[in-house]
Amino acid sequence: EVHLLESGGDLVQPGGFLRLSCSASGFTFSSHAMNWVRQAPGKGLEWVSGISSSDESTYYPDSVKGRFTISRANSKNMLYLQLNNLRAEDTAVYYCAREPYYDTTGVFDYWGLGTLVIVSS
Amino acid sequence: IYMTQSPSSLSASVGDRVTITCRASQFISSSLNWYQQRPGKAPTLLITRSSSLQSGVPSRFSGSGSGTDFFLTISRLQPEDSAVYSCQQSYGTPWTFGQGTKVEI
Repeated sequence: EVHLLESGGDLVQPGGFLRLSCSASGFTFSSHAMNWVRQAPGKGLEWVSGISSSDESTYYPDSVKGRFTISRANSKNMLYLQLNNLRAEDTAVYYCAREPYYDTTGVFDYWGLGTLVIVSS
Repeated sequence: IYMTQSPSSLSASVGDRVTITCRASQFISSSLNWYQQRPGKAPTLLITRSSSLQSGVPSRFSGSGSGTDFFLTISRLQPEDSAVYSCQQSYGTPWTFGQGTKVEI
């Protein structure tokens, strides 16, 4: 059974940083592209980063480019998201989401329960 | 690419047929996916490529459309279908979602 477990969410001050982690199990992690998707309180889902299975390609929307960095450790079945220079509008539940294929195609077939990031002074 | 869903919420009875509309701001072919999000649960993928039902998803769910206009239909609403439904385009990055439609039973 596919299982994704996010961790690392916290209360952080504006301008601060945080590292989110996603532990994967129940599938061959190194064979799947992975993503982070967030949901601000009362808002819709927003894709914030993607990474190919081999870690060769990463993708970001303009809203987080230069501030967020996605990475993975296939030997540990772990996905990460480094969040820098955080803003109040980054407050959200951050979900880890798997893709069915090696490279990112924008289809998210399994999701975790999410971890909450609050940016506030 | 902006995705707009309507309605933002709806209330219906068990056994009703409901349809949610999703409109893309530009042509996206059939690159449209639908997700269900129950309270306190992880989102789940229901439909890919506009009309392909994921394994294990009940057949009362169906999707249709192409180009810019898409539809999610639940043919016979069940109590467990109470959730937020979101469309998402996978035509090009950045991948974008609709704002969600809350279905109440």
